[in-house]
Amino acid sequence: GQQVMQIPQYQHVQEGEDFTTYCNSSTTLSNIQWYKQRPGGHPVFLIQLVKSGEVKKQKRLTFQFGEAKKNSSLHITATQTTDVGTYFCAGRSGTYKYIFGTGTRLKVLA
Amino acid sequence: SQTIHQWPATLVQPVGSPLSLECTVEGTSNPNLYWYRQAAGRGLQLLFYSVGIGQISSEVPQNLSASRPQDRQFILSSKKLLLSDSGFYLCAWSRSGFDVSNQPQHFGDGTRLSIL
Repeated sequence: GQQVMQIPQYQHVQEGEDFTTYCNSSTTLSNIQWYKQRPGGHPVFLIQLVKSGEVKKQKRLTFQFGEAKKNSSLHITATQTTDVGTYFCAGRSGTYKYIFGTGTRLKVLA
Repeated sequence: SQTIHQWPATLVQPVGSPLSLECTVEGTSNPNLYWYRQAAGRGLQLLFYSVGIGQISSEVPQNLSASRPQDRQFILSSKKLLLSDSGFYLCAWSRSGFDVSNQPQHFGDGTRLSIL
């Protein structure tokens, strides 16, 4: 079946350093969504990418969708302690379903 | 605005006992509804989804079942819990209708279920 993998599984960074998580799908994706889950919380939608090669920015966060629509990345510039959490990508599988990636847990050391 | 409610927030149940988790959505009609399970420190596993009253799609064979008795109510049940059913259960909704495939999912606060 369709699989969505994320790397790295964990990342510890010093505050102010950059961070990147990569999402790879075994199949071509129609679109991809990114979510953030704070410790003890629930996932919160961040953004959706639909077009091949699409790049979107949200303040210090940059999201990219690969040309082949099989991979995506999330880059955070100059991390802050508020960026702590687990970041998930989710690729659409069929009309209604999304397959969530394995997640990358980010810890930011002050 | 739309809100999603899940309860209870935490639950401790003995092995073999039944389970009923409820999720309700307010402020929208005919939402798509989802149940996910998240093991500690792991990703989200889709268990069930529903696109309408009485319409349930099951993703993973298990001893859990789901029902949608009303438009904005989604229930997760089990007749006999197993140790492996422990986890964080999340309900989510998304808009239906136009551009249904490109709608974000909005999650409830979840239920932490521990099986003893």
